Amino acid sequence: QLQLQESGPGLVKPSETLSLTCIVSGGSIGSRSHYWGWIRQPPGKGLEWIGSIYYTGSRYYSSSLKSRVTISVDTSKNQVSLKLSSVTAADTAVYYCARHRYNSPYSAFDSWGQGTLVTVSS
Amino acid sequence: DIVMTQSPDSLAVSLGERATINCKSNQTVLSSSNNNNFLAWYQQKPGQPPKLLIYWASTRESGVPDRFSGSGSGTDFTLTVSSLQAEDVAVYHCQQYYSVPFTFGQGTKLEIK
Repeated sequence: QLQLQESGPGLVKPSETLSLTCIVSGGSIGSRSHYWGWIRQPPGKGLEWIGSIYYTGSRYYSSSLKSRVTISVDTSKNQVSLKLSSVTAADTAVYYCARHRYNSPYSAFDSWGQGTLVTVSS
Repeated sequence: DIVMTQSPDSLAVSLGERATINCKSNQTVLSSSNNNNFLAWYQQKPGQPPKLLIYWASTRESGVPDRFSGSGSGTDFTLTVSSLQAEDVAVYHCQQYYSVPFTFGQGTKLEIK
């Protein structure tokens, strides 16, 4: 059964870089069958797509975050990573990794990790 | 960016009754090339990640009870719960995956009356 597990620091200081990893088990990122994405949800608010990536490294980013976001994939470790630079309090959110249903970013997210709360505070 | 607007923001329905949630996009999410609507519905219970219910606007995900159905095309979509059960209490989100950036509605909170 597919499982996605996000991990990383729960507290990041303003102006620093948020770094998260999503480890995939029960399936292979290199299987060519799916894109993989990051989505976040500020406390009590709605969902915001951050970006998506394929095992080849082909990636798509949110226009509003593009200047600060880097998403990468490591097929040998079966993991996807997210880096968000120059964070502020507005970046405080639960960060989810999720799988696109198909090998296209233009598909729904059919499997989600449990999410990890990242708080930006000094 | 495509803006997704859900209505209402919250909804209280009696057990066994029908619940209807609307989602409107400010641009079409219907592909002329394959006639699919690039629209999904998710259910999110407190403290849990979203769960995919419906994709292509009306295709139910495997394992989702058939009391959940999706309809609509172009810019106007509806999620219907035909007979509300206690376990359906959740926030429901629509999402377009027609164009980047992919965007979600603000969510609709469904409660028991």
